[in-house]
This record gives sequence, C-alpha cells and structure tokens, in this order.
Amino acid sequence: AQSVTQLGSHVSVSEGALVLLRCNYSSSVPPYLFWYVQYPNQGLQLLLKYTSAATLVKGINGFEAEFKKSETSFHLTKPSAHMSDAAEYFCAVTLGRGGADGLTFGKGTHLIIQP
Amino acid sequence: EAQVTQNPRYLITVTGKKLTVTCSQNMNHEYMSWYRQDPGLGLRQIYYSMNVEVTDKGDVPEGYKVSRKEKRNFPLILESPSPNQTSLYFCASLHYGANVLTFGAGSRLTVL
Repeated sequence: AQSVTQLGSHVSVSEGALVLLRCNYSSSVPPYLFWYVQYPNQGLQLLLKYTSAATLVKGINGFEAEFKKSETSFHLTKPSAHMSDAAEYFCAVTLGRGGADGLTFGKGTHLIIQP
Repeated sequence: EAQVTQNPRYLITVTGKKLTVTCSQNMNHEYMSWYRQDPGLGLRQIYYSMNVEVTDKGDVPEGYKVSRKEKRNFPLILESPSPNQTSLYFCASLHYGANVLTFGAGSRLTVL
C-alpha cells in the first residue's frame, strides 16, 4: 500500500519569495507521483507528474518538483511566489496507470501569499 | 472542450432524502472515480469504475452507490443521506494511455 505525507497544512510566504511545499511518500515499488492544485471553488488541476523518466519535473505556472528516491520525497518548488499562487496543493501517489490503480492523496497544503 | 461535468454544483438536502449527483465526461475515458474532500483529510476515494458495468469500492464506500451503464456517465447515489456525508465531492476520469486524472469542478453537498 502507498501513502503520502504533506508537511505543513498551511504555508505562508511573501510575494516574490521561494515556495517550498513538502511531500514524502511511502511505496513498496517505484511510484508515480503527482502534484495537483485547487483554486478556490474549483476542481483539481494537474501541476506536474513524475512517471519514472527525468527526476526533475517541470510543471505549469513555473512550478517544478524533484523526485528523490533516497529521501522518498517529491517536494514542490517555485523560485518566486505570485499572489495568484494562493491555493490548496495536493501531492498524490499511485503505483500505476495514473490513478486507475488507486490515487492516494496527501491531506493538502494551503499556500498563503503575503503581499 | 474536454471536460468532466458534475451536477448539481451545490445542494442542501435533509437526512434520508435520496439524491443523485451526476457525472459526465466527453473524452471517451475508460476509468471514472468519485472522491470526497473533507477539511484535514484530503481526498478519499469512494468508488471507481474501470469500464462500463465494472465498478468497485474505494476507501470510503459506505452509504454510497454507483452505476456505470454508459461509458460517459458515472452517477453517485446517496440512498439515505446523513449529516456525515456533508462534503465536497469530485468526479474524475482517466484515459489509461494518458496516465492522468481529469477532475470535475466539484459538488458541495450539505445534509441537514
């Protein structure tokens, strides 16, 4: 069985500062990993995904994440925060087929951007 | 536009009054799934369907029913809603080749 832990239910950064959202996973086999973003009153939108190709994955809106097998981590970063980045972010893991085998979500991190 | 459509988006109902939340996708996806989102718990899978007439329980199926008679539709049925089913519900679909779930906009359900 797989699991995901997101450290910090709320993260606050200043506009222009580095964004770092932490995600650690547990999986018995090499996983597929995802970051989704949820803007207020909207559904989940895929930011980026890791599917065993390059370990540094670039996504939309300037976000990227690095898969580190030794640390079982898949942290999300963005060099410079923008007010429009304020949202809920979910890390998710599956063992295959992008969710058809069961996508397990973390509990989410609410990103707050201070002006 | 390729999308997953859920209805209703918002619903307030009373305990015991049967309701159905519809979900439809126009992408010819084989796989569809329902999740509920609760504060501090993230998203939890209720039911999923690998294809027409094939459904299976997720992590929190109690109190829910689903059916998959057509490829595009995957309704979620609450036969006798209770207050603990007050939640935000998401439908999602996936094409096995693309490896990514596409989510609907969500349905916020309140059971009084």
